[in-house]
Amino acid sequence: DQQVKQNSPSLSVQEGRISILNCDYTNSMFDYFLWYKKYPAEGPTFLISISSIKDKNEDGRFTVFLNKSAKHLSLHIVPSQPGDSAVYFCAASAVQGAQKLVFGQGTRLTINP
Amino acid sequence: DTGVSQDPRHKITKRGQNVTFRCDPISEHNRLYWYRQTLGQGPEFLTYFQNEAQLEKSRLLSDRFSAERPKGSFSTLEIQRTEQGDSAMYLCASSLVFGARGDQPQHFGDGTRLSIL
Repeated sequence: DQQVKQNSPSLSVQEGRISILNCDYTNSMFDYFLWYKKYPAEGPTFLISISSIKDKNEDGRFTVFLNKSAKHLSLHIVPSQPGDSAVYFCAASAVQGAQKLVFGQGTRLTINP
Repeated sequence: DTGVSQDPRHKITKRGQNVTFRCDPISEHNRLYWYRQTLGQGPEFLTYFQNEAQLEKSRLLSDRFSAERPKGSFSTLEIQRTEQGDSAMYLCASSLVFGARGDQPQHFGDGTRLSIL
């Protein structure tokens, strides 16, 4: 039972263009959503998060959009840079209680020069 | 600013042996989490501590697994009688939570990769 899904295993984008990574969730109890970036042989690095009371959060080149009715969130990276090439994980949790993260399977983003 | 530290980075052992991993969280963080990640999957929750109290364990955590966080500082995860299926990346994360709720991100260490021969 996959509560958080990233349906695109990989994505290839030209340097300077926009990268859009998508994530769907099924559990209505989730109210806090995060994106992590992971390089090989390293742990996930926190990028950006959004609470369910918002529908958009920006941090520099990174913007996360949340559509609660569709149970969908997306990460926009603009402009994309070669250093953005990594695996991106979407994660969700309920803010009350354990706040354990439920992760998607990840999307491998490749930025081409 | 010191991040989450895990030791060792890589552990190779024979099936049936016991292994222990250590995690040092960010110093002011009161919550500590353990996750396991296998190839091609996202991390999966194993257990978590609020200060020194272990408050929840996943059903993924069999009786062969035990975790401690003495004095609410570092944590250890022990696996007894290791099996082939235990081969994975074990990740530790920490966060600072105020009261019963919080929307603070968890910060991860670089993990311990366990390989069972």
